[in-house]
Amino acid sequence: GAVVSQHPSRVICKSGTSVKIECRSLDFQATTMFWYRQFPKQSLMLMATSNEGSKATYEQGVEKDKFLINHASLTLSTLTVTSAHPEDSSFYICSARYTGELFFGEGSRLTVL
Amino acid sequence: QKEVEQNSGPLSVPEGAIASLNCTYSDRVSQSFFWYRQYSGKSPELIMSIYSNGDKEDGRFTAQLNKASQYVSLLIRDSQPSDSATYLCAAYPGDTDKLIFGTGTRLQVFP
Repeated sequence: GAVVSQHPSRVICKSGTSVKIECRSLDFQATTMFWYRQFPKQSLMLMATSNEGSKATYEQGVEKDKFLINHASLTLSTLTVTSAHPEDSSFYICSARYTGELFFGEGSRLTVL
Repeated sequence: QKEVEQNSGPLSVPEGAIASLNCTYSDRVSQSFFWYRQYSGKSPELIMSIYSNGDKEDGRFTAQLNKASQYVSLLIRDSQPSDSATYLCAAYPGDTDKLIFGTGTRLQVFP
């Protein structure tokens, strides 16, 4: 299968600060990547679709100014949580599709104090 | 009806038994189906994909797709405690490339 890598795996920040999470496709090129969020004991929720070279597409109810997505190359997408608050604490997971199958990064656990 | 539905469980089976996980889907999804395994605190890992009616086997795992009845199953033979996880069923809707996930079924394999 294809390999998707995320960094950092864990981050703790103070309320009001911004946090950047990187997602890389290591052995394939991904024109589209997907960002999910998962709260404890809940389902995966798609936040946005990251498109290389163009604007991301956000799901209903997701604030695009709060969750900034940049997909500057065919192997890298970044999610920046701006002015983070405790309610943004969650497990953020990126994914990319390769030959029709979706592969996930390791996930990034964000804790906002 | 939700596009992809699963029983949340938990499904408890003894070690060595066959675990059977089921998923039903609506007309709104396409004919590509996927099973993911998610350990607690980890991200989902792709186990199987199935596109055609019938069975597909990979080691201890067998995926079954029945288009007439609109369900897809995952059988785990010789279940091990290490198989204890949440299993997610997923499918593509017919009009978009965003994978839709079920809520997952928690499997517990006890020694």
